Amino acid sequence: GQQLNQSPQSMFIQEGEDVSMNCTSSSIFNTWLWYKQDPGEGPVLLIALYKAGELTSNGRLTAQFGITRKDSFLNISASIPSDVGIYFCAGRPQGGSEKLVFGKGTKLTVNP
Amino acid sequence: DAMVIQNPRYQVTQFGKPVTLSCSQTLNHNVMYWYQQKSSQAPKLLFHYYDKDFNNEADTPDNFQSRRPNTSFCFLDIRSPGLGDAAMYLCATSSGIALGEQYFGPGTRLTVT
Repeated sequence: GQQLNQSPQSMFIQEGEDVSMNCTSSSIFNTWLWYKQDPGEGPVLLIALYKAGELTSNGRLTAQFGITRKDSFLNISASIPSDVGIYFCAGRPQGGSEKLVFGKGTKLTVNP
Repeated sequence: DAMVIQNPRYQVTQFGKPVTLSCSQTLNHNVMYWYQQKSSQAPKLLFHYYDKDFNNEADTPDNFQSRRPNTSFCFLDIRSPGLGDAAMYLCATSSGIALGEQYFGPGTRLTVT
C-alpha cells in the first residue's frame, strides 16, 4: 500500500529556533495536508496544499507541495512553547479516493 | 463554534461490555470517518461513510460496527471491547470532493477495564 515517510520522528529545539519537517512518498499525491495534534485532542488542520509547487503560509507556518508531487515540507519559524505537539502530514493519493494516507508524525518539543 | 463534536470525551467500559461512541457534525459534509489512534501512532482508518454508503477497511475487526442514521450523526459500536481496543477514537468529516481536507473532532478516549 501507499506509505508516507515523515521525518524527523522527533525534534528538540530551543524557543525561537526555526523548524523543518518533511514527508516523502514513492507515489503521486493530489493533496498534501499538515495537521497538529495536542495531547488528548484531535488533529487540527494547519495547511492544505493542492498544486505541485504551491507554497502556502499560515502565520509562522509555511508548507510546500513538491514539484514531483511526491513530497511536502512544513517549516515553523521562530518557535514558541505552544508549538509543542505532534505534526502529521497526510496525503490524498492520485486516483480520487476520499481516504488519506498519514505519515507517522513528528513530535516537537520546544524548550523555553 | 464546534464543527465536529464527539461524545463523550472519555469513556470507560468493562471488558466485553458493548459501548457506543457518537459523532455529530455541523458542516453538512458527505463523508464521515472513524479512526482509531493508539499512543504515539498515526490515526488508523476503521471505516467511512460516503453519504449512506458504508466502506469498511479490510483489516477492521468485525467487533467494530458503525451506523449513520442521517447526514449529521455517525456512531461507532464496539460489540465486545477487549483490552486491546483501548485507544483514542477520532471522528472526521470531509466534503468528499476533490480537495480531500478532513476535519477531526476532539476524540473520545476509551478505557477498557
